[in-house]
Amino acid sequence: QSALTQPASVSGSPGQSITISCTGTSSDVGTYNLVSWYQHHPGKAPKVMIYEVTKRPSGVSNRFSGSKSGNTASLTISGLQVEDEADYYCCSYAGSSTLVFGGGTKLTVL
Amino acid sequence: EVQLLESGGGLVQPGGSLRLSCAASGFTFSSYAMNWVRQAPGKGLEWVSVISGSDGSTYYAGSVKGRFTISRDNSKTTLYLQLNSLRAEDTAVYYCAKAGCSGGNCYRPPDYWGQGTLVTVSS
Repeated sequence: QSALTQPASVSGSPGQSITISCTGTSSDVGTYNLVSWYQHHPGKAPKVMIYEVTKRPSGVSNRFSGSKSGNTASLTISGLQVEDEADYYCCSYAGSSTLVFGGGTKLTVL
Repeated sequence: EVQLLESGGGLVQPGGSLRLSCAASGFTFSSYAMNWVRQAPGKGLEWVSVISGSDGSTYYAGSVKGRFTISRDNSKTTLYLQLNSLRAEDTAVYYCAKAGCSGGNCYRPPDYWGQGTLVTVSS
């Protein structure tokens, strides 16, 4: 299956809000409420920030939120902080026991 | 605390083989499906393979099917990936990742990841 589509980069100033989109198809994002978002700092293990489209694991700031409309899922980060600067990836269950990832979005906090 | 520690990466020639391992701790290993995910230099994450918790069911991405084999030893709480017929495009950091739901045949996106091991395929 093809990778989910994410913008290559987004940027924002401290305190601002940004949204990262993740567009799939009716075979993955559109059908399953099983979209996760990961924060990845190079050289480290990816960290789950959102799971099942909107749920936040314990310990993750409530500045991170997720949503979905049709074939597109979104991650919103409010009150941007310098430490939010990282790569962000979406991932969806794609049926038949497989997963599909987005191409990744580099977040720059100016 | 969930811990996943990959090992076994290295430099290998095209056409060669390598076996990656992932030592798991901090959870009931046999109750969870386990994934391998890779990231080529400068590229995004790519799902590679998954194995169920108990019945050994396996699934692969088309790009590796027939060349890679995923397996697990629940008594050693260790996940493996055998890489054969390696190509330059297999160069990547390989991560093991625990499925985000219990039940051996639950294949939701991962909730915990290791730090990865680098595989470089070059002559």
